[in-house]
Amino acid sequence: DVKVTQSSRYLVKRTGEKVFLECVQDMDHENMFWYRQDPGLGLRLIYFSYDVKMKEKGDIPEGYSVSREKKERFSLILESASTNQTSMYLCASSFGTGFGYGYTFGSGTRLTVV
Amino acid sequence: ELKVEQNPLFLSMQEGKNYTIYCNYSTTSDRLYWYRQDPGKSLESLFVLLSNGAVKQEGRLMASLDTKARLSTLHITAAVHDLSATYFCAVDIDMNRDDKIIFGKGTRLHILP
Repeated sequence: DVKVTQSSRYLVKRTGEKVFLECVQDMDHENMFWYRQDPGLGLRLIYFSYDVKMKEKGDIPEGYSVSREKKERFSLILESASTNQTSMYLCASSFGTGFGYGYTFGSGTRLTVV
Repeated sequence: ELKVEQNPLFLSMQEGKNYTIYCNYSTTSDRLYWYRQDPGKSLESLFVLLSNGAVKQEGRLMASLDTKARLSTLHITAAVHDLSATYFCAVDIDMNRDDKIIFGKGTRLHILP
């Protein structure tokens, strides 16, 4: 089974802290994605990556950055956490290039910024 | 701008009834996915539809795809409480030969005993 593992299920951080959310997949997927999910707003794409050291902005990149130093790991970084970044964060990965398998999601990290 | 619209966004129904969730999208695509999300959990893949006329069934759920109408449906037959969840459709578009999936806002399904 493909596994996408997010390092924390629940996280509480203080305003202004630098926060790292880690995501690791074990199926050699090319593509990796970070979403946030908020009630009534659905899933919103923050950043994605189609290759190592490559990153692309999604729909709401402000206040976030990412790192992909290795193929299996895609990290989301909140440079200076704010209360409006309290959300559920979902990582996903896929084979890409038209294979049509869709995404495999991690279990999610519920981040609270106080 | 690509849009993926689901309706209804919220559905409360009695056990034993049938109902259909609709997913309309605004661009050409022949790959569509349905996901299920339980409260507080992540998204789980339900169906992958890869061509016009594709139909997939799993238990009381059946999904279909009409690429000409840009429409997919998720049909629930004789609903049971365990099917209460949020269901997302997602459309796959090619971005420079790489996948990018656009999600609908989700349909929150509540099945009453």
